[in-house]
Amino acid sequence: QSALTQPASVSGSPGQSITISCTGSSRDVGGNNYVSWYQQHPGRVPKLLIYDVSNRPSGVSSRFSGSKSGNTASLTISGLQAEDEADYYCNSFTTRNILVFGGGTKVTVL
Amino acid sequence: QGLLQESGPGLVKPSETLSLSCFVSDDSISAYFWSWIRQPPGKGLEWIGYIHHSGDTNYNPSLKSRVTLSLDTSKTQFSLRLSSVTAADTAVYYCARLDWGVGLDNWGQGTLVTVS
Repeated sequence: QSALTQPASVSGSPGQSITISCTGSSRDVGGNNYVSWYQQHPGRVPKLLIYDVSNRPSGVSSRFSGSKSGNTASLTISGLQAEDEADYYCNSFTTRNILVFGGGTKVTVL
Repeated sequence: QGLLQESGPGLVKPSETLSLSCFVSDDSISAYFWSWIRQPPGKGLEWIGYIHHSGDTNYNPSLKSRVTLSLDTSKTQFSLRLSSVTAADTAVYYCARLDWGVGLDNWGQGTLVTVS
């Protein structure tokens, strides 16, 4: 099972909005709505940010939003803040009920 | 102290078997799926597998021939065995709760396992 494809890095200035893409196939991202996103600060444990494409767990800022179109899911961070500088990973179930991660995207706040 | 805590040797010799356990600190072990994920130094996350108390398991196809997950409800812990390890298996290993339909919503602190 190939990893989902994410850009290696995305950057933006404070206050701007950025979008991270996550491209898979009809066997994973395009085949269900079980797409999730995780945030990982350096040296820290990953944290669930978005589940089921666009739902936020309790306590996650509304600045984070998710969407999907076809085989590509997206995470948008609005009002970018210094604390958003981290690695972000998408994840999806496949049609065989296995999980697959994206390669990760490093977000830099300029 | 969080919900999940990994334990096991931090150093494993090549060709031997890596064994880790994850203790679940509440009584929810029968209510969820439980998963293992690893992260080689400086690299991304790789899903290893999940297990449910019903016996339902599923593994990453790239690791399936070497991985065994087990779960002990009486000890409220689940375990990972990875056989025939090489240096490429050096990673931080995380255990996590898999809430089906939600995702990996609770993670252990992770434990670094070095194969050398």
